[in-house]
Amino acid sequence: NAGVMQNPRHLVRRRGQEARLRCSPMKGHSHVYWYRQLPEEGLKFMVYLQKENIIDESGMPKERFSAEFPKEGPSILRIQQVVRGDSAAYFCASSRSTEAFFGQGTRLTVV
Amino acid sequence: DQQVKQNSPSLSVQEGRISILNCDYTNSMFDYFLWYKKYPAEGPTFLISISSIKDKNEDGRFTVFLNKSAKHLSLHIVPSQPGDSAVYFCAASVGEYGNKLVFGAGTILRVKS
Repeated sequence: NAGVMQNPRHLVRRRGQEARLRCSPMKGHSHVYWYRQLPEEGLKFMVYLQKENIIDESGMPKERFSAEFPKEGPSILRIQQVVRGDSAAYFCASSRSTEAFFGQGTRLTVV
Repeated sequence: DQQVKQNSPSLSVQEGRISILNCDYTNSMFDYFLWYKKYPAEGPTFLISISSIKDKNEDGRFTVFLNKSAKHLSLHIVPSQPGDSAVYFCAASVGEYGNKLVFGAGTILRVKS
Protein backbone atom coordinates (compact mmCIF):
# COMPACT_ATOMS: atom_id res chain seq x y z
CA ASN A 1 0.00 0.00 0.00
CA ALA A 2 1.85 3.02 -1.26
CA GLY A 3 1.90 6.09 0.91
CA VAL A 4 0.86 9.58 -0.06
CA MET A 5 2.65 10.44 -3.29
CA GLN A 6 3.57 13.98 -4.17
CA ASN A 7 5.25 15.22 -7.30
CA PRO A 8 7.40 16.84 -8.20
CA ARG A 9 9.70 16.72 -5.16
CA HIS A 10 11.38 19.92 -6.24
CA LEU A 11 9.99 22.65 -8.47
CA VAL A 12 11.72 25.82 -9.60
CA ARG A 13 9.66 28.58 -11.14
CA ARG A 14 10.45 32.13 -12.24
CA ARG A 15 8.37 34.96 -10.83
CA GLY A 16 5.09 35.23 -12.71
CA GLN A 17 4.96 31.59 -13.81
CA GLU A 18 2.45 28.99 -12.66
CA ALA A 19 3.21 26.15 -10.27
CA ARG A 20 1.22 22.91 -10.21
CA LEU A 21 1.72 20.51 -7.33
CA ARG A 22 0.22 17.04 -7.42
CA CYS A 23 -0.86 14.71 -4.65
CA SER A 24 -2.13 11.15 -4.86
CA PRO A 25 -3.65 10.09 -1.53
CA MET A 26 -3.25 6.69 0.04
CA LYS A 27 -5.55 4.02 -1.32
CA GLY A 28 -8.94 4.20 0.34
CA HIS A 29 -8.42 7.72 1.68
CA SER A 30 -11.05 10.24 0.68
CA HIS A 31 -9.81 13.26 2.65
CA VAL A 32 -6.95 15.37 1.29
CA TYR A 33 -5.28 18.29 3.01
CA TRP A 34 -2.63 20.74 1.81
CA TYR A 35 -0.20 22.41 4.21
CA ARG A 36 2.60 24.89 3.66
CA GLN A 37 5.79 25.11 5.69
CA LEU A 38 7.84 28.28 5.57
CA PRO A 39 11.45 28.20 6.84
CA GLU A 40 11.72 27.97 10.64
CA GLU A 41 7.97 27.56 11.01
CA GLY A 42 5.48 24.77 11.54
CA LEU A 43 3.08 23.53 8.93
CA LYS A 44 0.18 25.86 8.18
CA PHE A 45 -3.14 24.49 6.98
CA MET A 46 -4.24 25.66 3.55
CA VAL A 47 -7.18 23.60 2.30
CA TYR A 48 -9.18 20.43 2.98
CA LEU A 49 -10.85 18.59 0.11
CA GLN A 50 -12.92 15.52 -0.46
CA LYS A 51 -13.61 14.12 -3.91
CA GLU A 52 -14.86 16.99 -6.09
CA ASN A 53 -15.54 19.19 -3.06
CA ILE A 54 -13.65 21.86 -1.16
CA ILE A 55 -14.61 21.42 2.48
CA ASP A 56 -12.47 24.09 4.14
CA GLU A 57 -10.25 26.60 2.36
CA SER A 58 -9.82 28.99 5.26
CA GLY A 59 -6.01 28.79 5.03
CA MET A 60 -5.76 29.52 1.31
CA PRO A 61 -4.63 32.96 0.17
CA LYS A 62 -7.55 34.68 -1.51
CA GLU A 63 -5.72 35.28 -4.77
CA ARG A 64 -3.53 33.17 -7.07
CA PHE A 65 -4.04 29.90 -5.14
CA SER A 66 -6.54 27.20 -6.01
CA ALA A 67 -6.98 23.50 -5.26
CA GLU A 68 -9.00 20.67 -6.67
CA PHE A 69 -9.53 16.97 -6.02
CA PRO A 70 -11.28 15.60 -9.09
CA LYS A 71 -13.27 12.39 -9.26
CA GLU A 72 -10.41 10.77 -11.12
CA GLY A 73 -6.76 11.59 -10.65
CA PRO A 74 -4.65 13.36 -8.08
CA SER A 75 -5.37 16.47 -6.08
CA ILE A 76 -3.78 19.57 -7.59
CA LEU A 77 -2.60 22.70 -5.80
CA ARG A 78 -2.19 25.48 -8.33
CA ILE A 79 -0.34 28.73 -7.73
CA GLN A 80 -0.63 31.33 -10.46
CA GLN A 81 1.83 34.16 -11.02
CA VAL A 82 4.21 32.93 -8.34
CA VAL A 83 6.16 35.40 -6.22
CA ARG A 84 9.29 34.88 -4.11
CA GLY A 85 7.19 34.65 -0.96
CA ASP A 86 5.56 31.49 -2.30
CA SER A 87 8.87 29.64 -1.89
CA ALA A 88 8.17 26.95 0.71
CA ALA A 89 7.65 23.25 1.24
CA TYR A 90 4.12 22.18 0.38
CA PHE A 91 2.85 19.01 2.03
CA CYS A 92 -0.17 16.99 1.17
CA ALA A 93 -1.83 14.66 3.67
CA SER A 94 -4.62 12.15 3.36
CA SER A 95 -6.81 10.36 5.85
CA ARG A 96 -9.64 7.89 5.97
CA SER A 97 -10.91 9.02 9.32
CA THR A 98 -8.55 10.14 12.08
CA GLU A 99 -4.77 10.34 11.66
CA ALA A 100 -3.51 12.14 8.60
CA PHE A 101 -0.57 10.66 6.69
CA PHE A 102 1.76 13.00 4.91
CA GLY A 103 3.60 12.86 1.62
CA GLN A 104 7.24 13.82 1.26
CA GLY A 105 6.38 17.29 0.10
CA THR A 106 7.15 19.49 -2.86
CA ARG A 107 9.78 22.14 -2.32
CA LEU A 108 8.91 25.16 -4.45
CA THR A 109 11.60 27.69 -5.17
CA VAL A 110 10.69 30.90 -6.95
CA VAL A 111 13.62 32.66 -8.58
CA ASP B 1 -2.07 34.14 16.70
CA GLN B 2 -0.30 30.94 17.61
CA GLN B 3 -2.89 28.53 18.89
CA VAL B 4 -0.33 25.74 19.38
CA LYS B 5 3.03 26.61 20.89
CA GLN B 6 6.19 24.63 21.30
CA ASN B 7 8.35 26.96 23.33
CA SER B 8 11.58 24.96 23.17
CA PRO B 9 13.16 25.25 19.73
CA SER B 10 15.60 22.47 20.55
CA LEU B 11 16.41 19.78 23.08
CA SER B 12 19.53 17.71 23.56
CA VAL B 13 19.40 14.38 25.43
CA GLN B 14 21.83 11.58 26.13
CA GLU B 15 21.10 8.19 24.59
CA GLY B 16 19.13 5.98 27.00
CA ARG B 17 17.69 8.88 28.96
CA ILE B 18 14.18 10.32 28.78
CA SER B 19 13.24 13.00 26.24
CA ILE B 20 10.34 15.26 27.22
CA LEU B 21 8.86 17.52 24.57
CA ASN B 22 6.26 20.07 25.59
CA CYS B 23 3.35 21.74 23.86
CA ASP B 24 0.80 24.33 24.96
CA TYR B 25 -2.42 25.33 23.27
CA THR B 26 -4.82 28.21 23.67
CA ASN B 27 -7.96 27.10 21.86
CA SER B 28 -10.22 25.28 24.33
CA MET B 29 -12.17 23.81 21.41
CA PHE B 30 -9.26 21.52 20.53
CA ASP B 31 -10.08 17.99 21.57
CA TYR B 32 -7.68 15.83 19.59
CA PHE B 33 -3.91 16.06 19.74
CA LEU B 34 -1.15 14.42 17.72
CA TRP B 35 2.61 14.26 17.62
CA TYR B 36 4.51 14.00 14.36
CA LYS B 37 8.19 13.39 13.75
CA LYS B 38 9.95 14.88 10.76
CA TYR B 39 13.35 14.22 9.19
CA PRO B 40 14.90 16.76 6.81
CA ALA B 41 13.49 16.63 3.26
CA GLU B 42 10.73 14.24 4.31
CA GLY B 43 7.10 14.62 5.27
CA PRO B 44 5.92 14.42 8.89
CA THR B 45 5.38 10.89 10.20
CA PHE B 46 2.55 10.24 12.63
CA LEU B 47 3.76 9.06 16.05
CA ILE B 48 0.97 9.06 18.58
CA SER B 49 -2.31 10.79 19.34
CA ILE B 50 -4.60 11.44 22.27
CA SER B 51 -8.23 12.37 22.60
CA SER B 52 -9.32 14.89 25.21
CA ILE B 53 -11.31 12.20 27.04
CA LYS B 54 -7.98 10.67 28.08
CA ASP B 55 -5.02 12.04 29.98
CA LYS B 56 -2.45 9.49 28.85
CA ASN B 57 -1.75 7.33 25.84
CA GLU B 58 1.17 4.96 25.49
CA ASP B 59 2.70 3.25 22.47
CA GLY B 60 6.00 1.48 23.03
CA ARG B 61 8.68 4.00 23.95
CA PHE B 62 6.30 6.92 23.35
CA THR B 63 3.82 8.28 25.86
CA VAL B 64 1.70 11.39 25.49
CA PHE B 65 0.25 13.14 28.53
CA LEU B 66 -2.60 15.64 28.34
CA ASN B 67 -3.43 18.20 31.03
CA LYS B 68 -6.63 19.84 29.86
CA SER B 69 -6.89 22.33 32.70
CA ALA B 70 -3.42 23.64 31.90
CA LYS B 71 -3.93 23.27 28.13
CA HIS B 72 -0.65 21.43 28.03
CA LEU B 73 0.56 18.18 26.55
CA SER B 74 3.89 16.46 26.53
CA LEU B 75 5.57 13.64 24.67
CA HIS B 76 7.89 11.33 26.60
CA ILE B 77 10.38 9.11 24.79
CA VAL B 78 12.00 6.45 26.93
CA PRO B 79 14.69 5.33 26.35
CA SER B 80 15.86 7.87 23.79
CA GLN B 81 17.80 6.53 20.82
CA PRO B 82 20.03 8.33 18.28
CA GLY B 83 17.47 7.51 15.56
CA ASP B 84 14.94 9.63 17.44
CA SER B 85 16.88 12.75 16.46
CA ALA B 86 14.44 14.74 14.33
CA VAL B 87 12.00 17.65 14.51
CA TYR B 88 8.90 16.90 16.56
CA PHE B 89 5.65 18.72 15.85
CA CYS B 90 2.68 18.93 18.13
CA ALA B 91 -0.67 19.32 16.36
CA ALA B 92 -4.26 19.83 17.47
CA SER B 93 -7.68 19.68 15.90
CA VAL B 94 -11.33 20.16 16.73
CA GLY B 95 -12.73 16.68 16.42
CA GLU B 96 -10.93 13.54 15.30
CA TYR B 97 -12.49 13.08 11.92
CA GLY B 98 -11.67 14.99 8.80
CA ASN B 99 -10.52 18.19 10.40
CA LYS B 100 -7.60 20.48 9.81
CA LEU B 101 -4.58 20.25 12.05
CA VAL B 102 -3.01 23.27 13.73
CA PHE B 103 0.72 22.72 14.17
CA GLY B 104 3.28 24.09 16.57
CA ALA B 105 6.58 25.40 15.24
CA GLY B 106 8.42 22.21 16.18
CA THR B 107 11.20 21.16 18.55
CA ILE B 108 14.51 19.81 17.27
CA LEU B 109 15.51 16.78 19.33
CA ARG B 110 19.14 15.66 19.31
CA VAL B 111 19.93 12.37 21.00
CA LYS B 112 23.65 12.04 21.69
CA SER B 113 25.31 8.65 21.79
